[in-house]
Amino acid sequence: AQSVTQLGSHVSVSEGALVLLRCNYSSSVPPYLFWYVQYPNQGLQLLLKYTTGATLVKGINGFEAEFKKSETSFHLTKPSAHMSDAAEYFCAVSVRDSGGGADGLTFGKGTHLIIQP
Amino acid sequence: DAGVTQSPTHLIKTRGQHVTLRCSPISGHKSVSWYQQVLGQGPQFIFQYYEKEERGRGNFPDRFSARQFPNYSSELNVNALLLGDSALYLCASSLGPLSGNTIYFGEGSWLTVV
Repeated sequence: AQSVTQLGSHVSVSEGALVLLRCNYSSSVPPYLFWYVQYPNQGLQLLLKYTTGATLVKGINGFEAEFKKSETSFHLTKPSAHMSDAAEYFCAVSVRDSGGGADGLTFGKGTHLIIQP
Repeated sequence: DAGVTQSPTHLIKTRGQHVTLRCSPISGHKSVSWYQQVLGQGPQFIFQYYEKEERGRGNFPDRFSARQFPNYSSELNVNALLLGDSALYLCASSLGPLSGNTIYFGEGSWLTVV
């Protein structure tokens, strides 16, 4: 079974500063990796995903993440934080299909990003 | 184009009652999944349906059931509600069941059990 650990339930950065949200995963088979954002009282919106190929993945709103197999990590970054980035961020993993059933996405517990003016 | 739509958006039920939540996927999407998100936690996978058949089930009791209709919409049913079932229930759709497909989420149904 796969699992996701997000380090830091709350991260606070100043507007214009670098955003770094950490995600480590555990999977016995090559994973698919995702970052979702959730604004208050809303559903989840996909920021980016890694399936195969280039390990540096660019997403929406200036976010990017790098898949590092040796570190089992998929950290999310953004060079310059904006007030509108304040939200809950979830890292998720799914495993490549084995031809049988689907296990869905396994999510981390989330990181609440706070942007200070 | 309409995204994933869910109804109702909010509801309050009493312990022991039954609830039905509904979901319409994005047009052209044939796979629907359900997730439970308890306050302060990440979503947890409940079911995935594709072409009206259950393709996956998470670690939830038999009180939880679902089905998918010929138009690919879906219902989630929960029987004998417990206080711990209070959560945001998210429906998600994708083109197909493959793990690498992008999954699009609706805004959820907030269930409060009192």
